[in-house]
Amino acid sequence: QVQLQESGPGLVKPSETLSLTCTVSGDPMNNYYWNWIRQPPGKALEWIGYIYYGASTNSNPSLKGRATISIDTSKNQFSLKLTSVTAADTAVYYCARQSYTSGWKPFDYWGQGTLVTVSS
Amino acid sequence: DIQMTQSPSSQSASVGDRVSITCRASQHINTYLNWYQQKPGKAPRFLIYGASNLQSGVPSRFSGSGSGTDFTLTISSLQPEDIATYFCQQSFTSPPTFGQGTKVEIK
Repeated sequence: QVQLQESGPGLVKPSETLSLTCTVSGDPMNNYYWNWIRQPPGKALEWIGYIYYGASTNSNPSLKGRATISIDTSKNQFSLKLTSVTAADTAVYYCARQSYTSGWKPFDYWGQGTLVTVSS
Repeated sequence: DIQMTQSPSSQSASVGDRVSITCRASQHINTYLNWYQQKPGKAPRFLIYGASNLQSGVPSRFSGSGSGTDFTLTISSLQPEDIATYFCQQSFTSPPTFGQGTKVEIK
């Protein structure tokens, strides 16, 4: 059974960097895309970006280059750094695995999410 | 970005009722539409891919239909364990985008 678990600080100050890690268990990390997705209070889910196990990345243009995703397959982990945060970055952050096998690219496994609040 | 609009935003139904949730895309997405279930405090669960294909292990009372811009998730006979928020997601083009969710409650 594949499991994902987010970890990191629940409170970040404005203008600082948000850092989260997702630990994956139950399946090797190769051949999948590893994503970060967030949900601000009362709003829809927003895709942040992905990293492929071979380390190619893609991120949402709406974040204007503030998001960096890295991977450490030796630890079965991938991480998110989001710089220059503001109150608008307050959200529940999810990590999720994405499968390209079917062609429809669903997010087939998710973590349960971690709330990150941006406040001084 | 492709906008995904779900309706209704919430729905109340009795156990055994048929429940339908609609998802509309702002442009044509063929059948690149996935559905998820989310219960409070739990990880979202992947239900349906390609608009109508049931993920392994998902009960057969769940079904999906549609193509182009209009899609439907149907629960044929609502069960107490189906109480959750359901959301759609398009994978036609990047960035992937999500509907705002439909909360299903027991009447």
